[in-house]
Amino acid sequence: NAGVTQTPKFRVLKTGQSMTLLCAQDMNHEYMYWYRQDPGMGLRLIHYSVGEGTTAKGEVPDGYNVSRLKKQNFLLGLESAAPSQTSVYFCASSTDRVLVDNEQFFGPGTRLTVL
Amino acid sequence: DAKTTQPTSMDCAEGRAANLPCNHSTISGNEYVYWYRQIHSQGPQYIIHGLKNNETNEMASLIITEDRKSSTLILPHATLRDTAVYYCIVRPIQGAQKLVFGQGTRLTINP
Repeated sequence: NAGVTQTPKFRVLKTGQSMTLLCAQDMNHEYMYWYRQDPGMGLRLIHYSVGEGTTAKGEVPDGYNVSRLKKQNFLLGLESAAPSQTSVYFCASSTDRVLVDNEQFFGPGTRLTVL
Repeated sequence: DAKTTQPTSMDCAEGRAANLPCNHSTISGNEYVYWYRQIHSQGPQYIIHGLKNNETNEMASLIITEDRKSSTLILPHATLRDTAVYYCIVRPIQGAQKLVFGQGTRLTINP
């Protein structure tokens, strides 16, 4: 199993450009998450999904959109990138089973720079 | 805001036990204590979690006080590869895991 994979690993954008980050998981997890991590800070939740076709806002959703058309994929979109969105983006997934060890599995991250 | 308080940084000698404290005085009865760590530039990695009882796995031990207001993560024989930022997180038992990461404890293992 590959676990959680993210594409691309690195990207440089100019202000105003758009892009989509792809997250894929092969563990048949119901829940998927997008976080961002700024230097010296902990991760902050952008959006999450509790199942195919569903999305919900997290702590810092502004400037981002997401889609979960397939259970195994969770897309994060930036319609008009801003320098404040320069960050490392992590995707994660977990099961929906209650009262079990439903830890989150994280991808390797995407390092995005907006000039 | 994170519901936990951790020291900003700690040092430990290689081969010794590393004890990382965490305060979570507002924890409710339906919340777990989770520990994750993040080795430089990598995604966070799950370590251990607990509700009331002490827990042990192949990576670490988790000691939760009887009133559940604080806990300690113990790495019994720290190695250089344990150098990382360690996050203590509380989260509800049910529902989507909207983890709230604080700044964590930067643990440095010294040779």
